[in-house]
Amino acid sequence: QQQVKQSPQSLIVQKGGISIINCAYENTAFDYFPWYQQFPGKGPALLIAIRPDVSEKKEGRFTISFNKSAKQFSLHIMDSQPGDSATYFCAASPFLGNQFYFGTGTSLTVIP
Amino acid sequence: EPEVTQTPSHQVTQMGQEVILRCVPISNHLYFYWYRQILGQKVEFLVSFYNNEISEKSEIFDDQFSVERPDGSNFTLKIRSTKLEDSAMYFCASSVLGGTRALSPGYTFGSGTRLTVV
Repeated sequence: QQQVKQSPQSLIVQKGGISIINCAYENTAFDYFPWYQQFPGKGPALLIAIRPDVSEKKEGRFTISFNKSAKQFSLHIMDSQPGDSATYFCAASPFLGNQFYFGTGTSLTVIP
Repeated sequence: EPEVTQTPSHQVTQMGQEVILRCVPISNHLYFYWYRQILGQKVEFLVSFYNNEISEKSEIFDDQFSVERPDGSNFTLKIRSTKLEDSAMYFCASSVLGGTRALSPGYTFGSGTRLTVV
């Protein structure tokens, strides 16, 4: 059972453009939704996270949009830069949960 | 910035052999985790460990897997008799407090060990 579905699998964006990655979840017990960024040879690193009591969270060029009724959330990267080229994973966990349920990842390439 | 260190970065083993993957969590962290990522697939939870006991494990973590904190600094994952399908990237993580919303520095992942079973 795939608890978190992520799309697209890969994404190519021009420098300065907006990168959008989407995730959908099934388990209504999930209440914490982080995005992780992974560079080659490195482990996933927390980028930004949201709880369902807000519909949007912004940190610099990165924004999470959250739609609780649709059970969907997305990552928007504004003014995408070549340094943003990485794999991005959405994840979810239940309240007081001990483990993350990850999406399958999106490989983002930002072309100069 | 504190890091979770995993060794080796890449290990090749023959099918049926035992393998031990090693992790050095961040020094003041008390909760430890293993995840794996089969190539091209999602990162999957294997096990969490606290106070020298497994606190949670997934259905993937069957009898061929075991974890140990042998000396107070290392955290190991042992696969007793490796299968071809165990080939994956294995990530160790640690956190100060339990749970996925642990306070900063929070749930921190290592850079992984790529295990190739031939």
